[in-house]
Amino acid sequence: SQKIEQNSEALNIQEGKTATLTCNYTNYSPAYLQWYRQDPGRGPVFLLLIRENEKEKRKERLKVTFDTTLKQSLFHITASQPADSATYLCALSLYNQGGKLIFGQGTELSVKP
Amino acid sequence: NAGVMQNPRHLVRRRGQEARLRCSPMKGHSHVYWYRQLPEEGLKFMVYLQKENIIDESGMPKERFSAEFPKEGPSILRIQQVVRGDSAAYFCASSPGTSGTTDTQYFGPGTRLTVL
Repeated sequence: SQKIEQNSEALNIQEGKTATLTCNYTNYSPAYLQWYRQDPGRGPVFLLLIRENEKEKRKERLKVTFDTTLKQSLFHITASQPADSATYLCALSLYNQGGKLIFGQGTELSVKP
Repeated sequence: NAGVMQNPRHLVRRRGQEARLRCSPMKGHSHVYWYRQLPEEGLKFMVYLQKENIIDESGMPKERFSAEFPKEGPSILRIQQVVRGDSAAYFCASSPGTSGTTDTQYFGPGTRLTVL
């Protein structure tokens, strides 16, 4: 069956450390993968997009990797801050599916000062 | 430059009533997506619309749910004869439709539907 899974447990880290979140998928062939941030009571906010032929993408303190052999994406936040505390969602987009996104269930990140 | 607008933000309905959720996309965006987020679950795709056309409704329940995006006005997600299981947050997203599948989707704040 098709699945997209993220760390089910909340991630608690100390301010200044690097947070690493995982997104694994099975039986999908995504055209690209996106990461979103969602705060309580709000809609998701787009962070980064990486295409299937790209290995790594960076934006300021954020880095995403995409390994289509392992069927896995890693999302890193370096020098984490308490303001980074939120739920992070990964989403797949498939070929010939329009812009429809398939979301993981999200990982809650808590950064302690 | 206003973002995606959704209203109402909170909606309470009794079982059997109708719920109408509205979404105004960002200015210049012609593509609208609806997603549902059940408690403790991820977002699930429901429907993808362009002006006056339903492009993909593969995520819509077969009964009671319908969506439209008229030439003028907001997109509407309509749920008839609501049941308690319809209680969820409903999010609308829009995209410009200029880059095909790589368009970034911009999400609204959501409508939280509670069915009593």
